[in-house]
Amino acid sequence: KAGVTQTPRYLIKTRGQQVTLSCSPISGHRSVSWYQQTPGQGLQFLFEYFSETQRNKGNFPGRFSGRQFSNSRSEMNVSTLELGDSALYLCASSWTSDGADTQYFGPGTRLTVL
Amino acid sequence: AQSVAQPEDQVNVAEGNPLTVKCTYSVSGNPYLFWYVQYPNRGLQFLLKYITGDNLVKGSYGFEAEFNKSQTSFHLKKPSALVSDSALYFCAVSAISGGYNKLIFGAGTRLAVHP
Repeated sequence: KAGVTQTPRYLIKTRGQQVTLSCSPISGHRSVSWYQQTPGQGLQFLFEYFSETQRNKGNFPGRFSGRQFSNSRSEMNVSTLELGDSALYLCASSWTSDGADTQYFGPGTRLTVL
Repeated sequence: AQSVAQPEDQVNVAEGNPLTVKCTYSVSGNPYLFWYVQYPNRGLQFLLKYITGDNLVKGSYGFEAEFNKSQTSFHLKKPSALVSDSALYFCAVSAISGGYNKLIFGAGTRLAVHP
């Protein structure tokens, strides 16, 4: 079974631009979560989607948004990019939205904001 | 508030020796605890988790972890380290708020296994 895939793997943007990242979960998984990883802040939860509904959201500004489609694929969008948004963005999928369920991570999208 | 602490930034071990990567947690209620490993330029790979039951959990690649409720710890162990085990290790707790999926991670511990 194919793992979680994320596209693109690398992105370079300039301040003020917007960006859309894509995540395809493991087949059958209905929950998709997004995390930001930076050297300074570590791994931080962005949001979780289950059955096209945002179930939970972390402490990030409204510039960070996401959505989930009926096939469980998910996208996250960052508008008005800032230098501090440079990070590795990780997507994870699981069967359910139960906290005991294992989340499986994709390889990430490395975003560089210049 | 729920939190995870990994007190060591780096652990150095000689190949063939046992290794321990430490993790302590703070949660209200019963915790769901996870260990993940990250290799350079890769995502996180799941190693093992504790949900309930036996305090000793066995996982992938010969790793195991011991849940200790009284010490609120969940240390990762391996009897004999390999050079290929060198990576960044993360302990995480699942935030049990309405049963939603939200992992709270520790800062990570870099494991260096020397030949």
